[in-house]
Amino acid sequence: SNVLTQPPSVSVAPGKTARISCGGNNIGSNSVHWYQQKPGQAPILVISYKSDRPSGIPERFSGSNSGNTATLTISRVEAGDEADYYCQVWDGDHWVFGGGTKLTVL
Amino acid sequence: EVQLVESGGGVRRPGGSLRLSCVASGFSFDDFGMSWVRQVPGKGLEWVSGINWNGDSTGYAGSVKGRFTISRDNAKNSLYLQMNSLRAEDTAMYYCTKELARWDYSNSPIDYWGQGTLVTVSS
Repeated sequence: SNVLTQPPSVSVAPGKTARISCGGNNIGSNSVHWYQQKPGQAPILVISYKSDRPSGIPERFSGSNSGNTATLTISRVEAGDEADYYCQVWDGDHWVFGGGTKLTVL
Repeated sequence: EVQLVESGGGVRRPGGSLRLSCVASGFSFDDFGMSWVRQVPGKGLEWVSGINWNGDSTGYAGSVKGRFTISRDNAKNSLYLQMNSLRAEDTAMYYCTKELARWDYSNSPIDYWGQGTLVTVSS
């Protein structure tokens, strides 16, 4: 069973670039999806199939995936990006989520 | 506008049962796979179960297999989760979710989430 490892927290100053990793065995061979969840709200999809952005998601959000690590990159970070972020992959017969990363905007 | 409205949450004792419901609107419900995802307050997301567009393919997380049953009624635009033999560790917010792509629950991410229904299992 695939285990997805995310750092518990990432901090970044406004205007800088945040990178949130998602580690998993050979995750580069999977489609990785990323969700953003703000306090008291349901998650929303921010990146699908590694690098596709749903309608309404700013171009500042991008994804990459290779080897054993997938990465969500948020450029020109804004205060409104502060949230928990989760990666997700299909593991053969079930979905797996990473443990989540709390992004703090300093 | 896509809407997913869950109901049926509540408090149960360990060993008890509960049936969650989700009424969908704003899209062709019978075209899409659906899933239940849960979240312990303050903790991460856990996929619980999924069902394909017509109900003939289902999947479960190992933690609920044999205790939970997912089903759907396309005529009523409704998704269900029958939860039996409840345990304290099943305490969580349960979200009804819709898959981005048609037909299955395993080949695309989630593009819509309900607001959730809270299940508490406690003696």
